Amino acid sequence: KNEVEQSPQNLTAQEGEFITINCSYSVGISALHWLQQHPGGGIVSLFMLSSGKKKHGRLIATINIQEKHSSLHITASHPRDSAVYICAVCNNNNDMRFGAGTRLTVKP
Amino acid sequence: DGGITQSPKYLFRKEGQNVTLSCEQNLNHDAMYWYRQDPGQGLRLIYYSQIVNDFQKGDIAEGYSVSREKKESFPLTVTSAQKNPTAFYLCASSIDRGIGEQFFGPGTRLTVL
Repeated sequence: KNEVEQSPQNLTAQEGEFITINCSYSVGISALHWLQQHPGGGIVSLFMLSSGKKKHGRLIATINIQEKHSSLHITASHPRDSAVYICAVCNNNNDMRFGAGTRLTVKP
Repeated sequence: DGGITQSPKYLFRKEGQNVTLSCEQNLNHDAMYWYRQDPGQGLRLIYYSQIVNDFQKGDIAEGYSVSREKKESFPLTVTSAQKNPTAFYLCASSIDRGIGEQFFGPGTRLTVL
């Protein structure tokens, strides 16, 4: 079983819809990261969380340490949000463990 | 502009040849990493380096080698011993291992024919 599980694997939405991507992990962590991978392959960091909630523009990330679960929300989705979103955790050995990613397609 | 560069973007090699992928960073980061990405799987760690002249094997180091002679540079060699080398390779760096976010390069897509 993977240490980091994401759902759904694929997600298609209409422009303007509210989107939620989920991440569950099974190990102790020091931090959780949400990453965005563009079609060309480049990866950018969206959030680093160790507790609570963070917001950046239309993106919101939450984490529940007790339940070992995090969510990434996108409000008022737009076609330019189409990308692969990756959840990653830094475990207690300082190793990063990555989920397989959620491929999001937002249609105009 | 600070960042990480990888070259080339696309690389083709014949089976049995060694190939070296370049990774350079000007972020003054101590830690650097090489990951491999395959379809439908999460990134997997090949090697990491916490400081110049030191590096450690990751989860899938077999068939790969690295060097860290300069802080800015962490090249990865894919040797002929790697059984399935065709993949997307990503280099990353961070201030220190396990601290802060990792910054990723644009990646190199290696195809072995």
